Amino acid sequence: SQQGEEDPQALSIQEGENATMNCSYKTSINNLQWYRQNSGRGLVHLILIRSNEREKHSGRLRVTLDTSKKSSSLLITASRAADTASYFCATDSNQGGKLIFGQGTELSVKP
Amino acid sequence: DAGVIQSPRHEVTEMGQEVTLRCKPISGHDYLFWYRQTMMRGLELLIYFNNNVPIDDSGMPEDRFSAKMPNASFSTLKIQPSEPRDSAVYFCASSLPIGQGRYEQYFGPGTRLTVT
Repeated sequence: SQQGEEDPQALSIQEGENATMNCSYKTSINNLQWYRQNSGRGLVHLILIRSNEREKHSGRLRVTLDTSKKSSSLLITASRAADTASYFCATDSNQGGKLIFGQGTELSVKP
Repeated sequence: DAGVIQSPRHEVTEMGQEVTLRCKPISGHDYLFWYRQTMMRGLELLIYFNNNVPIDDSGMPEDRFSAKMPNASFSTLKIQPSEPRDSAVYFCASSLPIGQGRYEQYFGPGTRLTVT
């Protein structure tokens, strides 16, 4: 069953703007991860936030987690054309390493 | 490290033929995952192994699909016989032992399978 659901499905912004993507999930989690996929490539891990954390930063990325609402958001600040990709959230429900991926948000950053 | 290696990168075959996809995980990783990605169904987990043992194969679509991991550095996903609806990109991913506190998965470049 689908655990993570991203919103929006597609997002188009201008270079320099911020991009926010949201993820909702259904069951309790051990951690939540965000991945990026460039066209024709495999997924690349971006950032992980544990269930006892509320916010985490990595460079231009900021992730928040609200376990009471079962939701997370990924913010990319000062976006660049190279950020154009699909972004997926994935939840780890402590099932022995198994992740459940959402359907992804397709981000387009126009120069 | 070279990362997760998959072969072939592209495979075109006719319906009814046997297809074998190959994966070499990152050395030291004891989890190996097989995923399938399509536009319609997104990214689906097919099966995963821990220490070469299949842990969860509930995502395998049907008996035409089988996966093996004969040793820590090699895994195969076989489709026999293949059907046009099997056309997809198949990804292999690996991750470190959970005890090391690192949970991220490392994906290979994928195999694009087209069944005509």
